[in-house]
Amino acid sequence: AQTVTQSQPEMSVQEAETVTLSCTYDTSENNYYLFWYKQPPSRQMILVIRQEAYKQQNATENRFSVNFQKAAKSFSLKISDSQLGDTAMYFCAFMKHGNYGGSQGNLIFGKGTKLSVKP
Amino acid sequence: DAGITQSPRHKVTETGTPVTLRCHQTENHRYMYWYRQDPGHGLRLIHYSYGVKDTDKGEVSDGYSVSRSKTEDFLLTLESATSSQTSVYFCAISDLAGGPDTQYFGPGTRLTVL
Repeated sequence: AQTVTQSQPEMSVQEAETVTLSCTYDTSENNYYLFWYKQPPSRQMILVIRQEAYKQQNATENRFSVNFQKAAKSFSLKISDSQLGDTAMYFCAFMKHGNYGGSQGNLIFGKGTKLSVKP
Repeated sequence: DAGITQSPRHKVTETGTPVTLRCHQTENHRYMYWYRQDPGHGLRLIHYSYGVKDTDKGEVSDGYSVSRSKTEDFLLTLESATSSQTSVYFCAISDLAGGPDTQYFGPGTRLTVL
């Protein structure tokens, strides 16, 4: 079974600085997807970034980028130029590739990291 | 944003009563999911659907049932609610047309069972 571990329950960063959130996972699969979701106080789950395991290039979305280390099973999220609106819970999630939908469409989530951006 | 709504958004009920939560989508996506979110657990899959009348169990399905009679609606039923089912419930949808099975979430339903 796959597991996702986020070792930092809480983090804080000053506005405009850079912060990195850690995520490690355990799987025997070779093809899979990794995601970071953001959950602000509104409780809405918002997709931040997505990485396909077969792609060596790290995904980037504006101020958000990942450091994907497949051999180490590590998938960290870097937030540059942190903004007050980045304050949220961040969840790392894993999904097996293959038969879309069904059990292989199931997202496996970590327990989350609470990020606070301070002015 | 994906067109997903959940109703009700908040509900308080008593132990032993039946409860039905509704997820409605306007995206015509094939796949729909129900997750629950509890402190210290992240989100965990309850049930999912891969088409009309096609459903299957997830990781924490005990005490829950689902139905999908049309593409746009996915219902989650607690036949006899218990206090352990107090949680925030999220519906998600996905479709191959959107790329690698990315799931988009509804706004959530906070359920309290007294």
